[in-house]
Amino acid sequence: KQEVTQIPAALSVPEGENLVLNCSFTDSAIYNLQWFRQDPGKGLTSLLLIQSSQREQTSGRLNASLDKSSGRSTLYIAASQPGDSATYLCAVWEYGNKLVFGAGTILRVKS
Amino acid sequence: GAGVSQSPSNKVTEKGKDVELRCDPISGHTALYWYRQSLGQGLEFLIYFQGNSAPDKSGLPSDRFSAERTGGSVSTLTIQRTQQEDSAVYLCASSFKLLQETQYFGPGTRLLVL
Repeated sequence: KQEVTQIPAALSVPEGENLVLNCSFTDSAIYNLQWFRQDPGKGLTSLLLIQSSQREQTSGRLNASLDKSSGRSTLYIAASQPGDSATYLCAVWEYGNKLVFGAGTILRVKS
Repeated sequence: GAGVSQSPSNKVTEKGKDVELRCDPISGHTALYWYRQSLGQGLEFLIYFQGNSAPDKSGLPSDRFSAERTGGSVSTLTIQRTQQEDSAVYLCASSFKLLQETQYFGPGTRLLVL
């Protein structure tokens, strides 16, 4: 059974810091890995999608990497801002047609 | 359309009643997904549609749950004989292509079963 783990569970950093969120998964047989952002009362936003054949994806200050063989992904946020405060979720789409989510990392960026 | 819309935004029902949740995906998106987020718990994937077809329904929590999609557009998630543990936020998302594109989420339907 696929399990997705996110570390840390919560993170508080001062504005401007670069930070890394970690995601690990137990079964490497995946189609893709996605990072999402969830804001309270504002729903879910898809940030980055990495296909299983890809190593990384970038969007603005965000960079996500994927090492499928080791079952790991990282989300790198450069020059963090208070507006980045949210819960960040990692999910893998596994063979068997199911998207499995991690529990998320709660990020707080202090101004 | 402008984005994924869901209705109702909130639903309060009595245990044992049936409820129907609706999702209008972005026009032209062939893939549609349903998720559930229970209070204090993580996101749970329920089912996806490619066009009008749902190849795998094993993610639905029980046989009281069913989903359909017609005309490659609107989808409904029906919960029969609701139970208190069905209380959750039900999220819908759509994407242009299944597995190949990022998903766009609707605002969700908050369901409370009394």
